[in-house]
Amino acid sequence: GAGVSQSPRYKVAKRGQDVALRCDPISGHVSLFWYQQALGQGPEFLTYFQNEAQLDKSGLPSDRFFAERPEGSVSTLKIQRTQQEDSAVYLCASSAYTKNIQYFGAGTRLSVL
Amino acid sequence: DAKTTQPPSMDCAEGRAANLPCNHSTISGNEYVYWYRQIHSQGPQYIIHGLKNNETNEMASLIITEDRKSSTLILPHATLRDTAVYYCIVRANTNYGGSQGNLIFGKGTKLSVKP
Repeated sequence: GAGVSQSPRYKVAKRGQDVALRCDPISGHVSLFWYQQALGQGPEFLTYFQNEAQLDKSGLPSDRFFAERPEGSVSTLKIQRTQQEDSAVYLCASSAYTKNIQYFGAGTRLSVL
Repeated sequence: DAKTTQPPSMDCAEGRAANLPCNHSTISGNEYVYWYRQIHSQGPQYIIHGLKNNETNEMASLIITEDRKSSTLILPHATLRDTAVYYCIVRANTNYGGSQGNLIFGKGTKLSVKP
């Protein structure tokens, strides 16, 4: 079956623009995670959904970051008024409720100029 | 902060076994050891996990010491395609309550497999 799909793979934004990053999890996976990965670093947790409920958003770096998963499937990470420090790879992962192995997408590389 | 310590880099000859160490001296009784790897320009890929017994699958073997304070990931016959950053992560497996448990990555070990 299909894995986790993210789009776009690459995004270039001018400072101050809003961006939206999409994640299609594995079908039937209840849990969905977003991570941010800076160059040369390991991924860092941003937020977590169980179905449509956002149960943990403790890793979101500022109120410019917003995530949603309205129907409990596809999720969107939105960044408003992008800044240069937002440049990173944004990774999405999903897992089945009763198992804790997280499966990752290939990520979206965001470059803010 | 990551609860694990790994060497920043290692080299391995193609066809040889690659042994990647990880220290997790503060691991709790309910925490598992997970290994993921990340090949350049891809997302992290699950390899294997274990609680206290040694584990083996089609990708690798995981050896956990009896006191559970350290572990070793073994790739029995490394190939050039195994060149990647390998992350050792400890995490409780919980399905109860709120968060299912995000993964806390450190910087991992960059494994270079050379011909």
